[in-house]
Amino acid sequence: GQNIDQPTEMTATEGAIVQINCTYQTSGFNGLFWYQQHAGEAPTFLSYNVLDGLEEKGRFSSFLSRSKGYSYLLLKELQMKDSASYLCAVRYSGAGSYQLTFGKGTKLSVIP
Amino acid sequence: DGGITQSPKYLFRKEGQNVTLSCEQNLNHDAMYWYRQDPGQGLRLIYYSQIVNDFQKGDIAEGYSVSREKKESFPLTVTSAQKNPTAFYLCASSLELDDGGGADTQYFGPGTRLTVL
Repeated sequence: GQNIDQPTEMTATEGAIVQINCTYQTSGFNGLFWYQQHAGEAPTFLSYNVLDGLEEKGRFSSFLSRSKGYSYLLLKELQMKDSASYLCAVRYSGAGSYQLTFGKGTKLSVIP
Repeated sequence: DGGITQSPKYLFRKEGQNVTLSCEQNLNHDAMYWYRQDPGQGLRLIYYSQIVNDFQKGDIAEGYSVSREKKESFPLTVTSAQKNPTAFYLCASSLELDDGGGADTQYFGPGTRLTVL
C-alpha cells in the first residue's frame, strides 16, 4: 500500500493557529482529502485538493503541492471543539481499481 | 434529512458467531464502502460497491462478506472466519466511485463498535 505520513499528536492553544502536515507518495496521486474525527465518532469531511494551492473554508484551509507530495491543514482561531483527530486521505488511480488510502491521523489537543 | 445510518451503535458477539452490520443511505449515492478502524491505525477498506449487485474486495476482505441488493443498503457480515473482529466499523457513501472533481468525496455513517466476547 501507499504510505501516508502525519504527526501522531499535536497540542495548541485556544485562539492560536496550527498546521497539520501530511506527506504521501506521489506516484498515481489523484486527489487528497482531509477529515475531522472526534473521539468515538465518524469522520466528517473538511476539504478536498486536487490542484496545487490553497483552498480556504472559513477557519480551515488546506494546501497541496503535488510535486512535493505534501499537504497541510491550517486551523485558525482555534477553539476547544477543534480537539479531534485529523485524517489525511489520498486517492490513487491505476489499473481500473479504486483506492483511497488514509493516514493514521493526527490527534490535536487544544488547551486553554 | 439525508444521511447515512448504521445500526446498531454497539454490538457484542460471542466467538464463532456471524453478525451483520447494517448500513443505509438516502443520499442517492451510487458508491458505498466499509472500513474498519483500530486504535492507532488508519481506516482500512474492507469492501466497496460502485453499483447495485456489484462489489469489490478492499485491502482486508478476508472474513467478511457484503451484498448490494438495493442502492440504499450495503450490509456487512462479519463471519467467524475473521480472526480479530473487535473494531470500530464505518460505512461511507459517495456520489460516484472515482471522480477527479471530488464527486467521490466520502461521507460517513456514525459507526458500529463491535466487541467479540
